[in-house]
Amino acid sequence: DAGVIQSPRHEVTEMGQEVTLRCKPISGHNSLFWYRQTMMRGLELLIYFNNNVPIDDSGMPEDRFSAKMPNASFSTLKIQPSEPRDSAVYFCASSFEGTIQYFGAGTRLSVL
Amino acid sequence: GENVEQHPSTLSVQEGDSAVIKCTYSDSASNYFPWYKQELGKRPQLIIDIRSNVGEKKDQRIAVTLNKTAKHFSLHITETQPEDSAVYFCAASGGGADGLTFGKGTHLIIQP
Repeated sequence: DAGVIQSPRHEVTEMGQEVTLRCKPISGHNSLFWYRQTMMRGLELLIYFNNNVPIDDSGMPEDRFSAKMPNASFSTLKIQPSEPRDSAVYFCASSFEGTIQYFGAGTRLSVL
Repeated sequence: GENVEQHPSTLSVQEGDSAVIKCTYSDSASNYFPWYKQELGKRPQLIIDIRSNVGEKKDQRIAVTLNKTAKHFSLHITETQPEDSAVYFCAASGGGADGLTFGKGTHLIIQP
Protein backbone atom coordinates (compact mmCIF):
# COMPACT_ATOMS: atom_id res chain seq x y z
CA ASP A 1 0.00 0.00 0.00
CA ALA A 2 1.21 3.54 -0.72
CA GLY A 3 0.29 4.71 2.76
CA VAL A 4 -1.69 7.85 3.59
CA ILE A 5 -1.45 10.27 0.68
CA GLN A 6 -1.76 14.01 1.16
CA SER A 7 -1.82 16.76 -1.41
CA PRO A 8 -0.46 19.26 -2.03
CA ARG A 9 2.86 18.79 -0.21
CA HIS A 10 3.42 22.54 -0.09
CA GLU A 11 0.96 25.38 -0.41
CA VAL A 12 1.74 29.08 -0.44
CA THR A 13 -1.20 31.43 -0.51
CA GLU A 14 -2.15 34.96 0.36
CA MET A 15 -4.21 36.00 3.31
CA GLY A 16 -7.92 35.82 2.57
CA GLN A 17 -7.65 33.05 0.00
CA GLU A 18 -9.38 29.69 0.31
CA VAL A 19 -7.14 26.70 0.92
CA THR A 20 -8.12 23.05 0.42
CA LEU A 21 -5.98 20.21 1.72
CA ARG A 22 -6.63 16.67 0.57
CA CYS A 23 -6.10 13.24 2.09
CA LYS A 24 -6.47 9.67 0.88
CA PRO A 25 -6.35 7.19 3.78
CA ILE A 26 -4.88 3.72 3.61
CA SER A 27 -7.32 1.39 1.86
CA GLY A 28 -9.50 -0.45 4.36
CA HIS A 29 -8.90 1.98 7.21
CA ASN A 30 -12.11 3.27 8.76
CA SER A 31 -10.81 6.15 10.91
CA LEU A 32 -9.28 9.38 9.63
CA PHE A 33 -7.66 12.15 11.63
CA TRP A 34 -6.50 15.69 10.83
CA TYR A 35 -3.67 17.15 12.94
CA ARG A 36 -1.83 20.46 12.81
CA GLN A 37 1.81 20.96 13.85
CA THR A 38 3.42 24.27 14.80
CA MET A 39 6.49 25.11 16.85
CA MET A 40 4.41 26.94 19.43
CA ARG A 41 1.52 24.50 19.89
CA GLY A 42 3.05 21.18 18.86
CA LEU A 43 0.84 18.48 17.35
CA GLU A 44 -2.86 19.20 17.78
CA LEU A 45 -5.86 17.10 16.83
CA LEU A 46 -8.29 19.13 14.71
CA ILE A 47 -11.02 16.63 13.82
CA TYR A 48 -11.52 12.93 13.27
CA PHE A 49 -13.94 10.68 11.43
CA ASN A 50 -15.06 7.12 12.04
CA ASN A 51 -16.69 5.37 9.10
CA ASN A 52 -16.88 8.73 7.27
CA VAL A 53 -18.81 10.38 10.13
CA PRO A 54 -17.25 13.32 12.02
CA ILE A 55 -16.92 12.31 15.67
CA ASP A 56 -15.12 15.17 17.36
CA ASP A 57 -14.38 18.57 15.82
CA SER A 58 -13.66 20.36 19.09
CA GLY A 59 -10.07 20.93 17.96
CA MET A 60 -11.07 22.96 14.91
CA PRO A 61 -9.83 26.43 15.81
CA GLU A 62 -12.53 28.55 14.19
CA ASP A 63 -15.48 28.52 11.83
CA ARG A 64 -13.02 29.31 9.07
CA PHE A 65 -11.99 25.64 9.22
CA SER A 66 -14.17 22.86 7.85
CA ALA A 67 -13.57 19.20 7.02
CA LYS A 68 -15.47 16.64 5.01
CA MET A 69 -15.21 12.97 4.28
CA PRO A 70 -17.58 12.21 1.39
CA ASN A 71 -16.42 8.60 1.11
CA ALA A 72 -14.05 6.10 2.69
CA SER A 73 -11.15 7.03 0.43
CA PHE A 74 -11.10 10.82 0.51
CA SER A 75 -11.19 13.72 2.94
CA THR A 76 -10.65 17.47 2.67
CA LEU A 77 -9.74 20.17 5.14
CA LYS A 78 -10.73 23.65 4.01
CA ILE A 79 -9.70 27.03 5.39
CA GLN A 80 -11.72 30.01 4.21
CA PRO A 81 -10.53 32.72 4.51
CA SER A 82 -6.94 31.84 5.37
CA GLU A 83 -4.84 33.94 7.78
CA PRO A 84 -1.08 34.06 8.43
CA ARG A 85 -1.55 32.31 11.81
CA ASP A 86 -2.88 29.27 9.93
CA SER A 87 0.65 28.63 8.64
CA ALA A 88 1.63 25.16 9.85
CA VAL A 89 2.17 21.58 8.73
CA TYR A 90 -1.14 19.75 8.44
CA PHE A 91 -1.04 15.98 8.83
CA CYS A 92 -3.67 13.44 7.96
CA ALA A 93 -3.58 10.01 9.62
CA SER A 94 -5.67 6.87 9.30
CA SER A 95 -6.20 3.71 11.31
CA PHE A 96 -8.22 0.51 11.26
CA GLU A 97 -10.50 -0.33 14.17
CA GLY A 98 -8.57 1.78 16.68
CA THR A 99 -5.17 0.35 15.97
CA ILE A 100 -2.02 2.19 14.94
CA GLN A 101 -2.45 5.63 13.39
CA TYR A 102 -0.35 6.03 10.24
CA PHE A 103 0.53 9.54 9.22
CA GLY A 104 0.77 11.04 5.77
CA ALA A 105 3.75 13.13 4.70
CA GLY A 106 1.92 16.35 5.57
CA THR A 107 1.07 19.58 3.78
CA ARG A 108 3.22 22.59 4.64
CA LEU A 109 0.97 25.64 4.44
CA SER A 110 2.32 29.17 4.30
CA VAL A 111 -0.16 32.04 4.37
CA LEU A 112 1.44 35.35 3.45
CA GLY B 1 -10.16 17.11 27.90
CA GLU B 2 -6.92 15.16 28.07
CA ASN B 3 -3.65 16.92 28.83
CA VAL B 4 -0.25 15.29 28.27
CA GLU B 5 2.94 16.68 29.79
CA GLN B 6 6.32 15.50 28.45
CA HIS B 7 9.81 15.93 29.91
CA PRO B 8 12.52 16.79 29.17
CA SER B 9 12.14 19.02 26.13
CA THR B 10 15.75 18.31 25.12
CA LEU B 11 17.89 15.33 26.06
CA SER B 12 21.53 14.88 25.11
CA VAL B 13 23.21 11.53 25.75
CA GLN B 14 26.45 9.87 24.75
CA GLU B 15 26.24 7.21 22.07
CA GLY B 16 25.79 3.84 23.75
CA ASP B 17 24.14 5.28 26.86
CA SER B 18 20.44 5.00 27.72
CA ALA B 19 17.78 7.66 27.28
CA VAL B 20 14.55 8.02 29.26
CA ILE B 21 11.63 10.29 28.35
CA LYS B 22 8.69 10.72 30.72
CA CYS B 23 5.06 11.68 30.20
CA THR B 24 2.08 12.24 32.45
CA TYR B 25 -1.56 12.37 31.46
CA SER B 26 -4.64 13.77 33.14
CA ASP B 27 -7.62 11.72 31.97
CA SER B 28 -7.96 8.45 33.87
CA ALA B 29 -10.14 7.14 31.04
CA SER B 30 -7.19 7.12 28.63
CA ASN B 31 -6.07 3.59 27.85
CA TYR B 32 -3.82 3.79 24.78
CA PHE B 33 -0.33 5.34 24.87
CA PRO B 34 1.75 5.41 21.68
CA TRP B 35 5.19 6.89 21.12
CA TYR B 36 6.12 8.49 17.81
CA LYS B 37 9.50 9.42 16.37
CA GLN B 38 9.77 12.36 14.01
CA GLU B 39 12.89 13.19 12.04
CA LEU B 40 13.36 16.70 10.69
CA GLY B 41 10.92 17.42 7.87
CA LYS B 42 9.36 13.97 8.07
CA ARG B 43 6.10 12.50 9.29
CA PRO B 44 5.65 11.09 12.82
CA GLN B 45 6.18 7.33 12.86
CA LEU B 46 5.07 4.95 15.58
CA ILE B 47 7.93 3.23 17.39
CA ILE B 48 6.06 1.49 20.20
CA ASP B 49 2.71 1.61 21.96
CA ILE B 50 1.12 0.24 25.11
CA ARG B 51 -2.42 -0.31 26.29
CA SER B 52 -3.60 0.06 29.85
CA ASN B 53 -3.92 -3.64 30.52
CA VAL B 54 -0.14 -3.98 30.20
CA GLY B 55 2.52 -2.49 32.49
CA GLU B 56 5.55 -2.84 30.25
CA LYS B 57 6.33 -3.60 26.63
CA LYS B 58 9.67 -4.11 24.96
CA ASP B 59 10.87 -4.16 21.37
CA GLN B 60 14.62 -4.70 20.99
CA ARG B 61 16.32 -1.53 22.35
CA ILE B 62 13.05 0.26 23.06
CA ALA B 63 10.75 -0.24 26.02
CA VAL B 64 7.73 1.56 27.43
CA THR B 65 6.44 1.38 30.99
CA LEU B 66 3.01 2.47 32.21
CA ASN B 67 1.85 3.31 35.72
CA LYS B 68 -1.91 3.80 35.56
CA THR B 69 -2.23 4.67 39.22
CA ALA B 70 0.22 7.56 38.91
CA LYS B 71 -0.91 8.34 35.35
CA HIS B 72 2.54 8.35 33.87
CA PHE B 73 4.40 6.41 31.21
CA SER B 74 7.99 6.41 30.04
CA LEU B 75 10.06 5.55 26.98
CA HIS B 76 13.41 3.85 27.48
CA ILE B 77 15.99 3.57 24.72
CA THR B 78 19.09 1.51 25.48
CA GLU B 79 22.43 1.42 23.64
CA THR B 80 21.60 4.64 21.81
CA GLN B 81 22.87 5.09 18.26
CA PRO B 82 23.28 8.19 16.05
CA GLU B 83 20.13 7.26 14.10
CA ASP B 84 18.11 7.59 17.32
CA SER B 85 18.55 11.37 17.10
CA ALA B 86 15.06 12.82 16.45
CA VAL B 87 12.07 14.36 18.20
CA TYR B 88 10.01 11.88 20.22
CA PHE B 89 6.34 12.44 21.06
CA CYS B 90 4.23 10.64 23.60
CA ALA B 91 0.45 10.59 23.21
CA ALA B 92 -2.67 9.37 24.95
CA SER B 93 -6.19 8.52 23.91
CA GLY B 94 -9.28 6.73 25.08
CA GLY B 95 -8.42 3.91 22.74
CA GLY B 96 -10.74 2.59 20.13
CA ALA B 97 -10.72 5.04 17.27
CA ASP B 98 -10.18 8.23 19.29
CA GLY B 99 -7.86 11.02 18.29
CA LEU B 100 -4.51 11.37 20.05
CA THR B 101 -3.46 14.09 22.50
CA PHE B 102 0.28 14.62 22.11
CA GLY B 103 2.96 15.84 24.47
CA LYS B 104 5.13 18.75 23.32
CA GLY B 105 7.99 16.48 22.24
CA THR B 106 11.56 15.68 23.33
CA HIS B 107 14.49 16.49 21.10
CA LEU B 108 16.90 13.60 21.61
CA ILE B 109 20.49 14.28 20.64
CA ILE B 110 22.99 11.42 20.49
CA GLN B 111 26.54 12.68 20.98
CA PRO B 112 29.22 10.63 19.19
